[in-house]
Amino acid sequence: AQSVTQLGSHVSVSEGALVLLRCNYSSSVPPYLFWYVQYPNQGLQLLLKYTSAATLVKGINGFEAEFKKSETSFHLTKPSAHMSDAAEYFCAVSVPRNRDDKIIFGKGTRLHILP
Amino acid sequence: DARVTQTPRHKVTEMGQEVTMRCQPILGHNTVFWYRQTMMQGLELLAYFRNRAPLDDSGMPKDRFSAEMPDATLATLKIQPSEPRDSAVYFCASGLTSLAGVGNEQFFGPGTRLTVL
Repeated sequence: AQSVTQLGSHVSVSEGALVLLRCNYSSSVPPYLFWYVQYPNQGLQLLLKYTSAATLVKGINGFEAEFKKSETSFHLTKPSAHMSDAAEYFCAVSVPRNRDDKIIFGKGTRLHILP
Repeated sequence: DARVTQTPRHKVTEMGQEVTMRCQPILGHNTVFWYRQTMMQGLELLAYFRNRAPLDDSGMPKDRFSAEMPDATLATLKIQPSEPRDSAVYFCASGLTSLAGVGNEQFFGPGTRLTVL
């Protein structure tokens, strides 16, 4: 069965510093991968997704993620953190098999931005 | 700007009462998902529908929870009777499955925050 593991339930970075949120996936077939963001008191919003095209995926708000099959990773990065990036981030995986629409979410990483 | 809507946004009720949460998926979407989010368990899938048919409700406590789609524009999640452990934020999400049946992105509603006293 497919799954994702997010390393670190809380990550703190200084404003202007690099943001790196780690995600490793497990899947027996090539997966689709997603990063979602959840701001306080809101639903989840798609940041970006990988669907077997370019391995470097650019998303909204300056975020990007790179699919690395050899490392089974899909880490999320942003060159320079902004206070407005403080939120919870979820890595997720789906598998194009058996017409299954489900997405499996990780447990989330809460990003704190230090002034 | 198409979006998923959920009502009510907040609900406070007493143990034993019936709770009904409603969701209007994005027009044209054919999949609907219900999730529950708590601090302890994170995001849990409760049920999902495709073309209004329930495909998976294995994550839902069957004795007290029920999910339906009376029509393509309305999904409901009902808890009867409610218990304090049901206190959580309940999210509805909708999506559009491709002909290939791959897992496409889901669009989330703002959630219903349920408190059972």
